[in-house]
Amino acid sequence: DGGITQSPKYLFRKEGQNVTLSCEQNLNHDAMYWYRQDPGQGLRLIYYSQIVNDFQKGDIAEGYSVSREKKESFPLTVTSAQKNPTAFYLCASSPGLAGAKNIQYFGAGTRLSVL
Amino acid sequence: AQSVTQLDSHVSVSEGTPVLLRCNYSSSYSPSLFWYVQHPNKGLQLLLKYTSAATLVKGINGFEAEFKKSETSFHLTKPSAHMSDAAEYFCVVSSNFGNEKLTFGTGTRLTIIP
Repeated sequence: DGGITQSPKYLFRKEGQNVTLSCEQNLNHDAMYWYRQDPGQGLRLIYYSQIVNDFQKGDIAEGYSVSREKKESFPLTVTSAQKNPTAFYLCASSPGLAGAKNIQYFGAGTRLSVL
Repeated sequence: AQSVTQLDSHVSVSEGTPVLLRCNYSSSYSPSLFWYVQHPNKGLQLLLKYTSAATLVKGINGFEAEFKKSETSFHLTKPSAHMSDAAEYFCVVSSNFGNEKLTFGTGTRLTIIP
């Protein structure tokens, strides 16, 4: 099946710990994105990548890091510097940079909670 | 600059009655507009998109939306609600020029009353 796979579905973080969320796509899309979703706030862009080995900060990048070593993979690390990490994290991809011509497709999400 | 306002955080309708979810947008350039649906603990699925062609856009599952430039609106409608329509709906705007990041509304939760 073609699509976007996020893992794990649920993740728990201890104080001072870094955790990594996985996002893999087999759609052969160039662009990938990470969003954070909080109740009543819609989706906010954390990081995005248009091409392998390149990525840009979104609106709320502080406390997060990413890498894009392979076209199909875009992992997100939530570092200990992120003081309020509890949220639902969504990964998306699109053939090119999203907008009029390129629809974003979403994974099923990872729910991160703090112990 | 671009922004989107979903006018209702929660809408309740009875099964079989019409659905109206309201969205107003602001964009410095000609916009593209989208409606996405999210079922609980799931990712987002595209319902429909407007990209400067026909102003009345038909989407999946019987939904449609009308782009009204004079009112800067892109309201989502469905003639007859079904129980499976219960979900959260997001209106999204993107510019057709320059930086094409998506800007999401805060969502409207649709409840269907049996």
